[in-house]
Amino acid sequence: GEDVEQSLFLSVREGDSSVINCTYTDSSSTYLYWYKQEPGAGLQLLTYIFSNMDMKQDQRLTVLLNKKDKHLSLRIADTQTGDSAIYFCAVRNTDKLIFGTGTRLQVFP
Amino acid sequence: DVKVTQSSRYLVKRTGEKVFLECVQDMDHENMFWYRQDPGLGLRLIYFSYDVKMKEKGDIPEGYSVSREKKERFSLILESASTNQTSMYLCASSLRGGGGLYEQYFGPGTRLTVT
Repeated sequence: GEDVEQSLFLSVREGDSSVINCTYTDSSSTYLYWYKQEPGAGLQLLTYIFSNMDMKQDQRLTVLLNKKDKHLSLRIADTQTGDSAIYFCAVRNTDKLIFGTGTRLQVFP
Repeated sequence: DVKVTQSSRYLVKRTGEKVFLECVQDMDHENMFWYRQDPGLGLRLIYFSYDVKMKEKGDIPEGYSVSREKKERFSLILESASTNQTSMYLCASSLRGGGGLYEQYFGPGTRLTVT
């Protein structure tokens, strides 16, 4: 079945850029997704990219998709303490989402 | 605003007890999901329901059952709770997917501790 993998932790200094990486094994997913989970809360859709795009920019967020290598990344520019959260990438399989293990982003001053 | 609510934020139960986790959504979504979230394992799908009284097993259904008698409500049942079911439980809902953007909406989670 589909397998989605992420590194578990990332620690960055406030003001620096963060890059969270994700690899997936096989996907016909039309869209690929990034969800954010703030402390004590459920997941919320943060951004997404259409599968025929290489890049999508949304304010401080940049999503890069390399379909050949099955690699998805999320870059957060000018990272703030409010960006501290767990970030999940996800691909779609019919009416289900397959989530990665989540990357815990810690931002220190 | 889409709202998914879960009956409890924190729950402490004893081994062997029957546990009910309730989830309600207010957006007339066809699909509802129960996930379990554990550190280092991400989100794992327990059960999925695509319509009233319809259900499908996810990746880890053992030890769990579900009930969906009304469209807006999806219950997760632990028939006999065990300590290895201590976890965060997340409920989600979505419209039935088409070819476009597909989004799941999540509740805040229930942290269950089984002692």
